[in-house]
Amino acid sequence: DVKVTQSSRYLVKRTGEKVFLECVQDMDHENMFWYRQDPGLGLRLIYFSYDVKMKEKGDIPEGYSVSREKKERFSLILESASTNQTSMYLCASSHQPGQGRRASGRADHEQYFGPGTRLTVT
Amino acid sequence: AQSVTQPDIHITVSEGASLELRCNYSYGATPYLFWYVQSPGQGLQLLLKYFSGDTLVQGIKGFEAEFKRSQSSFNLRKPSVHWSDAAEYFCAVGVTGGFKTIFGAGTRLFVKA
Repeated sequence: DVKVTQSSRYLVKRTGEKVFLECVQDMDHENMFWYRQDPGLGLRLIYFSYDVKMKEKGDIPEGYSVSREKKERFSLILESASTNQTSMYLCASSHQPGQGRRASGRADHEQYFGPGTRLTVT
Repeated sequence: AQSVTQPDIHITVSEGASLELRCNYSYGATPYLFWYVQSPGQGLQLLLKYFSGDTLVQGIKGFEAEFKRSQSSFNLRKPSVHWSDAAEYFCAVGVTGGFKTIFGAGTRLFVKA
C-alpha cells in the first residue's frame, strides 16, 4: 500500500518560531510537492521538487523554504512563523518517467497525498 | 492563465439521489483532468482522470466524469449517493510541460438521510 506520511497531524507554534514540516513517501517517487489548503481557495502550491536537492517555487513561496536531501523526504520550513501561515499543509508525491526536469513534459501523473498537518500559529 | 472553477461551494443531496458536481477549466492545450476526493481529516485521493480517448471516464466508488471540450467542462457524476460519499471534491488540471497541477476551490458534499 503506497503511503505518504507527514510528521504531525496537528501543530501549534508561536509567532516568530522556526517550524519544520516533514514529509516521507515510500513509493520511490521523483516528484514531491507542498501545498497549503485554505477554505474557499483550494490547494495552492508552495514548492515542489523533481529530484534530490532540486526545488522550484510554486505559486505562494513567500515565507517558506524547502529541503530535499533524500529522495523519500521533503521538508517544508517556515523560517519565522506568522499568524497568516495558519493553515492545513498537504504533502504529495508523484512518479515521473525518465530523467531530469523536463523528461516527462507531461502532467498526467496522479499525485498521492499525505493526511495533512494542521498548523496554528498564535 | 490556467484556472479551474468549481461553481458550487457546497451541495446537499439525499442518500440514494443522483449527484453532479460541476467543474470548468481554462487551459489552452489538451488538458489532463482529475477529480480528487478528501474525506474529513484525510489527504486527497484520486477518483478518476482523463487524458484522451473516450470522453466518459469511470472512476472508483461508482463515480464517473464526462469531458466536454466545447463547454470546457469535466463534471463528476454518481447515480446514487451513499452517506459515505460526504466529503470535499476537487477538480484539477495538469499543466503540460511542467509539474504543476491546478486545483479548484473544492465542493463540499453533504448527504442527508
